[in-house]
Formats: sequence, structure tokens, C-alpha cells
Amino acid sequence: KQEVTQIPAALSVPEGENLVLNCSFTDSAIYNLQWFRQDPGKGLTSLLLIQSSQREQTSGRLNASLDKSSGRSTLYIAASQPGDSATYLCIISQGGSEKLVFGKGTKLTVNP
Amino acid sequence: NAGVTQTPKFRILKIGQSMTLQCTQDMNHNYMYWYRQDPGMGLKLIYYSVGAGITDKGEVPNGYNVSRSTTEDFPLRLELAAPSQTSVYFCASRGQREGRGQLSTQYFGPGTRLTVL
Repeated sequence: KQEVTQIPAALSVPEGENLVLNCSFTDSAIYNLQWFRQDPGKGLTSLLLIQSSQREQTSGRLNASLDKSSGRSTLYIAASQPGDSATYLCIISQGGSEKLVFGKGTKLTVNP
Repeated sequence: NAGVTQTPKFRILKIGQSMTLQCTQDMNHNYMYWYRQDPGMGLKLIYYSVGAGITDKGEVPNGYNVSRSTTEDFPLRLELAAPSQTSVYFCASRGQREGRGQLSTQYFGPGTRLTVL
């Protein structure tokens, strides 16, 4: 059974700092891995999607990496801003199944 | 496009009452999903649909029912509300698979916060 763990559960940093969020998973047979952000009172917003054949994806100040052999993904946020404050979720899709496996998230607070 | 919309945003129910959570998407997506998110936990799949007239159970279907009479709408029905159903409910949709059969991303609605007392 696939399990997704995100560490740390919460993180507080000053504005401008570069930071890394971690996601680990127990079954390397994944279809793809996505990073979402969740804002209070709002739905989840997709940030980056990495297919199983890819090693990383970049969008603006965000870079996500995937290492299936070690069961890890990282989300790198450069030059963090207060607007980046949100909960970041790591979500795995397996074997074409409609079932996604969700991490519990890392709650990020960027202080001005 | 409005994307995925959900109504209501908040609702308080008494034990034993019933209600329907509405979900609509205007992206012509075939695939639609209902999730629940309990405090401090990851989302869990309740039901999903791969097209109009087709629905299937997810991880936690007990106590819920769904229907999919149109591509746009995927309502979730609670027949006899219980305190264990207190949660935030998210509806999501996605389009067809991308090239080489790869899954496309899901688009989520803003959620419905349900409290059962």
C-alpha cells in the first residue's frame, strides 16, 4: 500500500529565503507525482506535475524533483514571498488508477 | 471558465438529516471526483465518475451516494448524516489522458465545509 509522508508538517521562514519541502513515498511504481498548494477556504491548485519518466519540472520560482529509486520528491521555492504562505500537498497517482494518494501536507508561513 | 464550482460553501446538519452537495464543472471534463478531508489528514476519495452515467466507489463510500446524469454535474448525496461525516468535501475534475496515456492534472473546487451535530 502506497504511503506518502511530508516533512516537516509546518515550516516558518522569513521572506526572501530559499526553502525545500520534502515528500517521501513507499512504492516506487508511481504514474506521476504532483505538487499542489491549498489555501484556506479555497480548493487545491496544481503547481507542478512530474510524470514517472521525468526527473524534474520547473515553473517560475518553483522546481520539483523526482527520484523514484529513493522514493523522494522535493519542492524547491526560491526567494520566498508572503504570498507563498499555504499548505503544500504532495500527491501520487499510481498505475493509471483513478485513486490518488495524498500526503498530509506541509504548512508554510513566509513572514514579511 | 468558472472551473469547478461547489455549493454550498458551509452547512450544518443535524444527525439523521440528508442533503446534497452540488458540484459543476464547465471544462467538459469526463472525469469527476469527490474527496473528503478530515482535520490534519490527507484527502480520501469517496466516489468518482469516468463519464456521464458511470460512477464507482473510492476508498470511503459508505454513507454517500452519487449520480452523473450530465457531463457537467456530479452531486454527492448524504442520506442519514452522522457526526463522522463532519469534514471538508472537495469536488475535482480532469480531462482526458494526455499523450502516451499520461494522466492529466485534476482541478479542484473550493470545498464545502460540513458539520454534523
